[in-house]
Amino acid sequence: SQTIHQWPATLVQPVGSPLSLECTVEGTSNPNLYWYRQAAGRGLQLLFYSVGIGQISSEVPQNLSASRPQDRQFILSSKKLLLSDSGFYLCAWSRPGGGYTFGSGTRLTVV
Amino acid sequence: DAKTTQPPSMDCAEGRAANLPCNHSTISGNEYVYWYRQIHSQGPQYIIHGLKNNETNEMASLIITEDRKSSTLILPHATLRDTAVYYCIVRPMNRDDKIIFGKGTRLHILP
Repeated sequence: SQTIHQWPATLVQPVGSPLSLECTVEGTSNPNLYWYRQAAGRGLQLLFYSVGIGQISSEVPQNLSASRPQDRQFILSSKKLLLSDSGFYLCAWSRPGGGYTFGSGTRLTVV
Repeated sequence: DAKTTQPPSMDCAEGRAANLPCNHSTISGNEYVYWYRQIHSQGPQYIIHGLKNNETNEMASLIITEDRKSSTLILPHATLRDTAVYYCIVRPMNRDDKIIFGKGTRLHILP
């Protein structure tokens, strides 16, 4: 069966520090991968999606970047965090025409 | 922008059927209707999807109108654990099939 792992569950980082969130998928190959962010009390915002290794599409201009170094690994990064980067970050995967499966999320607080 | 319209919130008494409407008047022939829900501080959870026929699974039923311009998610016997934000999404059947989440319906199950 397919599983998605996302870590860490919570993270507190100072303004200006770097960020690296990792997401891995098991039990499938060549999945579509996604990063979403949910600010407090707000909806889900699509940040990045990837249909293959090294293929990244950015949905909104921001202080973040994403990379897909391996087929089932998706990384969200920042060189210098801003207060506005605080939120609940969710990774998801899908097969074409299939439903999305979300990870358990990372709650990031930038202080 | 999301291609669906949902009421921002609804109440339902515990034990009664919860009927959540969704309008998707611009849906195209190759797009499915998907429903997800997000319980507080968790990632969204897939519920059900359909193309044009009504669908039922262990969680819910999905009723799609004949013209496919609207649908209703039915939770037959709502419990307090069904309190969540419910998202209705239309999604094409192709490789580059990113999901844009709208604001969803916040369902309150009343004891």
